[in-house]
Amino acid sequence: GQQLNQSPQSMFIQEGEDVSMNCTSSSIFNTWLWYKQDPGEGPVLLIALYKAGELTSNGRLTAQFGITRKDSFLNISASIPSDVGIYFCAGSAGNTGKLIFGQGTTLQVKP
Amino acid sequence: DTAVSQTPKYLVTQMGNDKSIKCEQNLGHDTMYWYKQDSKKFLKIMFSYNNKELIINETVPNRFSPKSPDKAHLNLHINSLELGDSAVYFCASSQGFLSPGGEYFGPGTRLTVT
Repeated sequence: GQQLNQSPQSMFIQEGEDVSMNCTSSSIFNTWLWYKQDPGEGPVLLIALYKAGELTSNGRLTAQFGITRKDSFLNISASIPSDVGIYFCAGSAGNTGKLIFGQGTTLQVKP
Repeated sequence: DTAVSQTPKYLVTQMGNDKSIKCEQNLGHDTMYWYKQDSKKFLKIMFSYNNKELIINETVPNRFSPKSPDKAHLNLHINSLELGDSAVYFCASSQGFLSPGGEYFGPGTRLTVT
């Protein structure tokens, strides 16, 4: 079945640093999404991408839909302690209505 | 003003028991989902209902039976619980079946089977 490879698995950075994580797929997706999950909570949508090559920002977050439609990245600039959490990429292909999730990137920020 | 709510938040039970998790959304969405998150945090869809009709049924043991009495509710009943069922179960909803990115997740139910 379809799989998403998300990297890195975890990151431990200093407050103020920029962060980058990415996802690659074995097949083409029509939609790429980035979620954040805080401890004890459900995932919350950060950015949705619907077109190949699309670059979208949400505050300090920037994400891009890869031109091949098989990858996406998320950048966080000037990280702050509340950025701590697990970041998931997710993709959707065709008309299945089904989201495939990456394995998640655990981010820790040292004040 | 909780958008997607689940009960209970925590569920500890013994192998072989039957248990239910309830989910309600007050967003007026047509589509609801159940996801399972395992101990490695991997999220996988289990079921999806659109207007009370089952539309996605992943390879899930038939001990798991979802029920949608109306558009705002999607419950999950699990029979004969096994150790491997221990996980966090998330309910989610979206406006329509083909609206990826519009999923709103509930807070999760942590199920522990002993």
